Amino acid sequence: DAGVTQSPTHLIKTRGQQVTLRCSPKSGHDTVSWYQQALGQGPQFIFQYYEEEERQRGNFPDRFSGHQFPNYSSELNVNALLLGDSALYLCASSFWTGGYTFGSGTRLTVV
Amino acid sequence: GIQVEQSPPDLILQEGANSTLRCNFSDSVNNLQWFHQNPWGQLINLFYIPSGTKQNGRLSATTVATERYSLLYISSSQTTDSGVYFCAVALPNTGNQFYFGTGTSLTVIP
Repeated sequence: DAGVTQSPTHLIKTRGQQVTLRCSPKSGHDTVSWYQQALGQGPQFIFQYYEEEERQRGNFPDRFSGHQFPNYSSELNVNALLLGDSALYLCASSFWTGGYTFGSGTRLTVV
Repeated sequence: GIQVEQSPPDLILQEGANSTLRCNFSDSVNNLQWFHQNPWGQLINLFYIPSGTKQNGRLSATTVATERYSLLYISSSQTTDSGVYFCAVALPNTGNQFYFGTGTSLTVIP
């Protein structure tokens, strides 16, 4: 039974570009949450998707957007990249009622 | 938002030693979890423990919800225990939106 799968594992982008990160949830999970983890910090909640809708959102600008597909997989899009967007982006899947499982993350570097 | 503080920030142990990690939080929570992040970034769920005490092998955890703290105990530490330990909490009616502490970085030396 596959856990949470994220792609790509590493990514280098130029300031001002746009990026799309992908997440496939653990089998049976219907909720996907995205977190940003800057170096030396704990993860920070970006947003959560359930039934293809954004249900919760953390304190992140509108440059951060997402989508959930009918198969529960999800994408995180970041527009107009800034150097400060460099971080490890973690996806967690769960049931709506709980049971978090994290993926290994996508390490984004903005140059 | 809720504040989550972890202590100590860094810990170096000799293999075989015991340790206690602490997590204080500033509001009532309905979910508290301890995670271990390995050097490759993977967050592994250790305990779901909004209250009470649980044990899993050499690890155990206690949460005193009324006093807003949780403790993670590591006994007979091994080099594979190295990494960063995070406490994460969720507030009621927030759909499990987790607030993480800044972590305790543990290094176990042979």
